[in-house]
Amino acid sequence: DVKVTQSSRYLVKRTGEKVFLECVQDMDHENMFWYRQDPGLGLRLIYFSYDVKMKEKGDIPEGYSVSREKKERFSLILESASTNQTSMYLCATSTGTLLSEYDEQYFGPGTRLTVT
Amino acid sequence: AQSVAQPEDQVNVAEGNPLTVKCTYSVSGNPYLFWYVQYPNRGLQFLLKYITGDNLVKGSYGFEAEFNKSQTSFHLKKPSALVSDSALYFCAVRDMRYRVGDYKLSFGAGTTVTVRA
Repeated sequence: DVKVTQSSRYLVKRTGEKVFLECVQDMDHENMFWYRQDPGLGLRLIYFSYDVKMKEKGDIPEGYSVSREKKERFSLILESASTNQTSMYLCATSTGTLLSEYDEQYFGPGTRLTVT
Repeated sequence: AQSVAQPEDQVNVAEGNPLTVKCTYSVSGNPYLFWYVQYPNRGLQFLLKYITGDNLVKGSYGFEAEFNKSQTSFHLKKPSALVSDSALYFCAVRDMRYRVGDYKLSFGAGTTVTVRA
């Protein structure tokens, strides 16, 4: 089974702090994704990566950055946290070959971030 | 551009009754379609997907979904709902006309299903 782990289940940070959310997967998947989940808005893609050191902006990248130095690890960085970044953050992975472009994504348990 | 609409925020059914969760999509080409379920305080779990072929797709936990190209819909169904099916359900779509490296899905807003005993 694919295992996707996230560094924290719950996190409380102050406005202006730099926040790191980390995601680790153990299935050698090429693609990794960061979403935020808000009630009534569903999942919105922040960034994704289809290879080490490669990153692509999603639908709502403002205020976020990412890092992928190793294939199994994908970090989401909030350079200066703000209250409107209070949300549930979900990491996901999928295989990325041309023969498997329809493969489903596998999700981690999520990190509920509160910025006060 | 690709998008998904889930027209119902909430669906309430009695245990043993049929359950339907609606989803419509919009893509430029042909769609890959997915259903995910989220139980309280947990991440999303994959239920089923439509790629091509038979319009009726069977998935986990007795769920199935019917692809209807003319109505651009992919409704999730279960013939007899259980209390344990109470959860948040998400529909997602990806356009088959992709560019290399672009594997992103677009998700609907989600539908909360409550099955009462």
